[in-house]
Parts: sequence; C-alpha cells; structure tokens
Amino acid sequence: DVKVTQSSRYLVKRTGEKVFLECVQDMDHENMFWYRQDPGLGLRLIYFSYDVKMKEKGDIPEGYSVSREKKERFSLILESASTNQTSMYLCASSFSYGYTFGSGTRLTVV
Amino acid sequence: RKEVEQDPGPFNVPEGATVAFNCTYSNSASQSFFWYRQDCRKEPKLLMSVYSSGNEDGRFTAQLNRASQYISLLIRDSKLSDSATYLCVVKKNYGQNFVFGPGTRLSVLP
Repeated sequence: DVKVTQSSRYLVKRTGEKVFLECVQDMDHENMFWYRQDPGLGLRLIYFSYDVKMKEKGDIPEGYSVSREKKERFSLILESASTNQTSMYLCASSFSYGYTFGSGTRLTVV
Repeated sequence: RKEVEQDPGPFNVPEGATVAFNCTYSNSASQSFFWYRQDCRKEPKLLMSVYSSGNEDGRFTAQLNRASQYISLLIRDSKLSDSATYLCVVKKNYGQNFVFGPGTRLSVLP
C-alpha cells in the first residue's frame, strides 16, 4: 500500500511565524499535492508538483510556497502564518486512478 | 458555478435503507470520476472509480451520465459504518489535478 506520511498531526503556531509542513510518500509517485480543508468550503488545492523542483499553483496559493527537492518529499511553507490559515492541511500523492492522502495536519495559528 | 456540485445533505437514514447521492460537474472535458469517503477527522479515501458503463462493488453502485454531466452513488442496505462524508471527485483531461466536490454527509441511524 502507498503510504503518505505527514510529519505532524497537530500544530499550534503564532501569527507571523514561518511554518513548515512536511509530506513524504514511499511509492515513487511523480505527482504530489497540498490541499486545505475547511468546513463548508471542502478541499481546496494550494499547490501541486509533477516532478522534482517543479511546482504549479493551485486555486489558493496566496500566503504559501512549496519545495520539492526530492521526489518523495513535498513541503508546504507558510511564509508568515496568519489566523486565516488555521485549517486542516492534507497532502496527497497520486497514481493514475486516484489519490492517496496523508492523515492530515491540523494547524492552529494563534 | 462551482466545478463540482453535490447534494448538500446531511442525509439521515435508518439502517437498511437505500440512499442515493448525486453530483454534477461543469467541465465537459472531464475524463475520470471517483467517489471518496471521508470519516470524521480522517483523510479522504478512495471508495470507487466511476465508469461509463456503471459499476458495482457490493452494496455500492456508481453511475455516470456524460451527456448530463452527472454522477451518482447508490448505497443499498445501509450500515451504521457507512456514516461518513462522501466526496465526488472529477479529474480533468490534462494533468493530474483532481477537483473535489464539497461532500455530502451521511448518517445511518440505528
């Protein structure tokens, strides 16, 4: 089974802090994604990557950046955390017929 | 108009009931379709792909109507363990980007 691992399950950060969310997949997938999920808004795509060092903006990239230095690792960076970035963050790795998600990181910015 | 729309729910049904969820998508060039299931505070997991000819997996039946841009999921003989949010997912014909519907919440009651 494909495993997608997110480094933290729960995180609390202060406004203005730089935040790193890490995601690692173990199946050599080329495609990786970062979503955030909020009540009433569903899953929204932040950034995705088709290959090492490649990245594409999703629907809501503002306030975020990403890094993909190795194929198995895709990092989401909040340059200066704000309270409106409090959310559940989900990383996914894709194969032809669907995504496998990590278990999510619930980030609270205070 | 949202790219993928679903019945808002919640659906509260007794055990043993048959329940149907609907989903519409706006991009006629969409190629692949899926239903995902998400339990409370967990990540989404692939339930089943949806094929043009319709497909069945045990108590679950998925249908696709390309002309009407409509997908459905039918659950027969509902179990308590079916309680979850069901996400309709559409893959565009280019890239690997999947678009998620907002989800429909199902509660199966004893």
